[in-house]
Amino acid sequence: DTEVTQTPKHLVMGMTNKKSLKCEQHMGHRAMYWYKQKAKKPPELMFVYSYEKLSINESVPSRFSPECPNSSLLNLHLHALQPEDSALYLCASSQGAAVPNTQYFGPGTRLTVL
Amino acid sequence: QKEVEQNSGPLSVPEGAIASLNCTYSDRGSQSFFWYRQYSGKSPELIMFIYSNGDKEDGRFTAQLNKASQYVSLLIRDSQPSDSATYLCAVNPTQAGTALIFGKGTTLSVSS
Repeated sequence: DTEVTQTPKHLVMGMTNKKSLKCEQHMGHRAMYWYKQKAKKPPELMFVYSYEKLSINESVPSRFSPECPNSSLLNLHLHALQPEDSALYLCASSQGAAVPNTQYFGPGTRLTVL
Repeated sequence: QKEVEQNSGPLSVPEGAIASLNCTYSDRGSQSFFWYRQYSGKSPELIMFIYSNGDKEDGRFTAQLNKASQYVSLLIRDSQPSDSATYLCAVNPTQAGTALIFGKGTTLSVSS
């Protein structure tokens, strides 16, 4: 089973709202990722958690706040977003230390900021 | 700066033909190479990975890796209209930990 689940599938929020995106995997993977993808662009890495510790933060604005409560869950807390933050937000997971370090993606959350 | 280059396309092939998708990468120490397929509005779906020089076949798909030339390709035999999608090449470079570097993707259109 290579399933990564994400909720919600769609989210519309105002610039003053606070919301959270959730991601879950039960493959025993120890690395989890958040990506942002705009239309006709490749996924853009935001954060990497390795063994539940934040290992990469690609200079993402503080209005995006990641959290890894345990090895199966990954959250992305959103606050005071801008319309340009509207995008498909993808979660992925991988074993973490293996070669190849194959990443499996969830279905994504389509975020619209009004 | 580590880069992964792909021709954005669109690459148009008739049904039943072989589609050839190419990717080059800049970090000579890169270890693993991945091909993902992404339908419009959907998330990337892993097709294949390769980490040794040569060919790797899985059904209608063949991945080819040439580390000396820093080149990886994906061949799709007997192309079907359902193969029409964007194909993303991704590379795990040296010293990148677990992160992947994605190319911009090649759009493939298979006409019936």
